[in-house]
Amino acid sequence: DAGVTQSPTHLIKTRGQHVTLRCSPISGHKSVSWYQQVLGQGPQFIFQYYEKEERGRGNFPDRFSARQFPNYSSELNVNALLLGDSALYLCASSAGLAGGPWNTGELFFGEGSRLTVL
Amino acid sequence: KQEVTQIPAALSVPEGENLVLNCSFTDSAIYNLQWFRQDPGKGLTSLLLIQSSQREQTSGRLNASLDKSSGRSTLYIAASQPGDSATYLCAVSGANNLFFGTGTRLTVIP
Repeated sequence: DAGVTQSPTHLIKTRGQHVTLRCSPISGHKSVSWYQQVLGQGPQFIFQYYEKEERGRGNFPDRFSARQFPNYSSELNVNALLLGDSALYLCASSAGLAGGPWNTGELFFGEGSRLTVL
Repeated sequence: KQEVTQIPAALSVPEGENLVLNCSFTDSAIYNLQWFRQDPGKGLTSLLLIQSSQREQTSGRLNASLDKSSGRSTLYIAASQPGDSATYLCAVSGANNLFFGTGTRLTVIP
């Protein structure tokens, strides 16, 4: 079975541009979450989607948006890129458990998309 | 706001040693705690998941414990190997968020 796949793996943008990152969860998983990891830090939560609905949002500006499609894949969009947006963007999927969207059980991560903003 | 701390930030041990990594969190209202390893420039690999009702989980040479009341978790690695060299992260899930620590960078010296 394929794991979580993310694309592109690396990309370079300039300030002010827009970027779209994509994530395909493990087959059968309905929850997808996005994280930003800057060098030397732990991942920071950006969004969580469960059954195509936004269930959680971290402390990120409105320039960041996401959506989940009927096949449970997801996109993360970032507008008006800043130098500080340079990071590894990670996507995770989980099967989800009863009791709330955050009791999602084990998280499985993709290899990430490395974004460099010049 | 939940704060997750991992100490030490870096650790070097000779091959074969047993070691303990620590994770502490400030809000005990958690659903679960998960330990991950991350190799440089790579994604995270899940090691162990402990539900809030559990005290510990074991997988091979790894054992993780959870003490919710004191806000602590430990990851015990037995008979360390050079292949265990990586950054180890803990993450706690709460009502509507998931918080990671900054990790412990482990180096196992052959």
